Amino acid sequence: QVQLRQWGAGLLKPSETLSLTCAVYGGSFNVYYWNWIRQPPGKRLEWIGEINHSGSTNYNPSLKSRVTISVDTSKNQFSLKVRSVTAADTAVYFCVRGGEQWLSFAMDVWGQGTTVTVSS
Amino acid sequence: EIVLTQSPGALSLSPGDRVTLSCRASQSVSSNYLSWYQQQRGQPPRLLLYGASNRAPGIPDRFTGTGSRTVFTLTISRLEPEDFAVYYCQQYGSSPPMYTFGQGTKLDIK
Repeated sequence: QVQLRQWGAGLLKPSETLSLTCAVYGGSFNVYYWNWIRQPPGKRLEWIGEINHSGSTNYNPSLKSRVTISVDTSKNQFSLKVRSVTAADTAVYFCVRGGEQWLSFAMDVWGQGTTVTVSS
Repeated sequence: EIVLTQSPGALSLSPGDRVTLSCRASQSVSSNYLSWYQQQRGQPPRLLLYGASNRAPGIPDRFTGTGSRTVFTLTISRLEPEDFAVYYCQQYGSSPPMYTFGQGTKLDIK
């Protein structure tokens, strides 16, 4: 049974850097792509980006200039940083397993979510 | 970027009803890389269907997905009380790699 557990700061001021980490328990860390997805209040889910065990990344073009996703294979963890946050970055952030062709690139395991609020 | 539009935005139904939800894509979805999720309040989404019509492990057979290219549907044959939730469709495109979601359909108990 694969589990994703995530943590990070929940309250930020404008211009600060959002930082979240997700740990993967169980399953094979080296097989999948590991994703970050966010859900602003009342809005649709938005894919932020993904990384695999070798550090290969893909990002949403709308966020690419401010986002970095990194991986620590020694701990089976991956992390998200979003620079220069504004109120528009207020959302619930999820770490998610996915990115496999055999699963038609569906997202099959989700973390519990972290609420991030950006407010002065 | 492929935009997914779901309809209707919300429905009020009763347990035992049959419902069909729609997801339309602005361009053809390659290789039927179209998935459906269910989200209960305060919970992360749960994968229901992948590849347009394949049920994820543990998903009951009252959930059925059909469609191809730009038109996809999710049918729930007989609504159970736990099915009242928000449903999202999601697609994957490879050039460049990109995932997008629909805006969701909310099912309420009448």
